[in-house]
Amino acid sequence: EAQVTQNPRYLITVTGKKLTVTCSQNMNHEYMSWYRQDPGLGLRQIYYSMNVEATDKGDVPEGYKVSRKEKRNFPLILESPSPNQTSLYFCASSSLGQAANEKLFFGSGTQLSVL
Amino acid sequence: GESVGLHLPTLSVQEGDNSIINCAYSNSASDYFIWYKQESGKGPQFIIDIRSNMDKRQGQRVTVLLNKTVKHLSLQIAATQPGDSAVYFCAEVIKAAGNKLTFGGGTRVLVKP
Repeated sequence: EAQVTQNPRYLITVTGKKLTVTCSQNMNHEYMSWYRQDPGLGLRQIYYSMNVEATDKGDVPEGYKVSRKEKRNFPLILESPSPNQTSLYFCASSSLGQAANEKLFFGSGTQLSVL
Repeated sequence: GESVGLHLPTLSVQEGDNSIINCAYSNSASDYFIWYKQESGKGPQFIIDIRSNMDKRQGQRVTVLLNKTVKHLSLQIAATQPGDSAVYFCAEVIKAAGNKLTFGGGTRVLVKP
């Protein structure tokens, strides 16, 4: 089954404790992206990657890191989480081509709470 | 600045009626627009898209209308069903900006039995 898998689904942590949210896709997609979703603000892009070893900042990259060492994986790293990073996070992927971003496949989300 | 927004945060619809969800955008450079559906506890799911050179596109029970003159986009759902209850997002894509995808804030659709 074609899917984007995020883990964990729920995470509660404390300020300053490094964490990683994993994302994996089995569709051989070149493009992967991370979004955060906050009430009233919709989905905002954190980082994206056009292919292996190619990552770029989105609209709200501060406080986050990503890596793309393999095509299928795109982990999101919070080196020193802060309470304002409490949010619902989504990983997404799509194939590149004439309509990149047109049909993003989203994971089920990771609800992060930073205390 | 560019923005993509929605007129109504919540839409309550009787089962069987048609639903219309509206979206306003401000960037005339948008190349196409996408509607996503997000059910509770799930990630957004692609519904339908429309190129900026089109004014109407139909899918299964859904129709998207684009009015570039007033920068307005709508999603019409025919014969709304309980399974249509979700949050709907419009999004715009600008190819010149590296296929930048900008989402609107979302509209919640509640289907009453």
